[in-house]
Amino acid sequence: GEKVEQHESTLSVREGDSAVINCTYTDTASSYFPWYKQEAGKSLHFVIDIRSNVDRKQSQRLIVLLDKKAKRFSLHITATQPEDSAIYFCAASPYTEGADRLTFGKGTQLIIQP
Amino acid sequence: AQTIHQWPVAEIKAVGSPLSLGCTIKGKSSPNLYWYWQATGGTLQQLFYSITVGQVESVVQLNLSASRPKDDQFILSTEKLLLSHSGFYLCAWTSAETLYFGSGTRLTVL
Repeated sequence: GEKVEQHESTLSVREGDSAVINCTYTDTASSYFPWYKQEAGKSLHFVIDIRSNVDRKQSQRLIVLLDKKAKRFSLHITATQPEDSAIYFCAASPYTEGADRLTFGKGTQLIIQP
Repeated sequence: AQTIHQWPVAEIKAVGSPLSLGCTIKGKSSPNLYWYWQATGGTLQQLFYSITVGQVESVVQLNLSASRPKDDQFILSTEKLLLSHSGFYLCAWTSAETLYFGSGTRLTVL
């Protein structure tokens, strides 16, 4: 089955700098890649996703890049703010429609330093 | 707008005791519903999914069971809790192409 690896377990950046969280996946059939944010003690909140028909997607300060050849995708947060501090989870699914059978990475704790 | 409600918010239970967690979604007809489990400090594991009333598919065996008695309700249960059942249980549903999570139930088994 699919395996999703999140390379940074913890990432610390200064407020205002950019943060990059990287994930790799194993199943070439994966075509849907969402990202979720989990603040301390809370549930997961959807932030952005990308599908395999594009290699870049941006929503305000969030940019997702997808490299299908390398089976790698990444979340870039620009101009980081204190409220960006959270655990970020990447995920992958082989289904082009919907989010069935998502496989999640282990999460990256993002710390924004003042 | 759709809303998803999970209950209880938290539970502290003894090993060997029964458990029932619930999830209700409003404002969405015939949703696909899911149960996920997050071990403390860990990643998420999908446990069950259901696409219609009375039909539940198990994704991983953890001595838990799930049922969908109504279109808008999803129940997770077991007759005998294990220590390893501790964690954060999340109900989720899909809208179009995105998975949305409920607020979760934190379970501590002692």
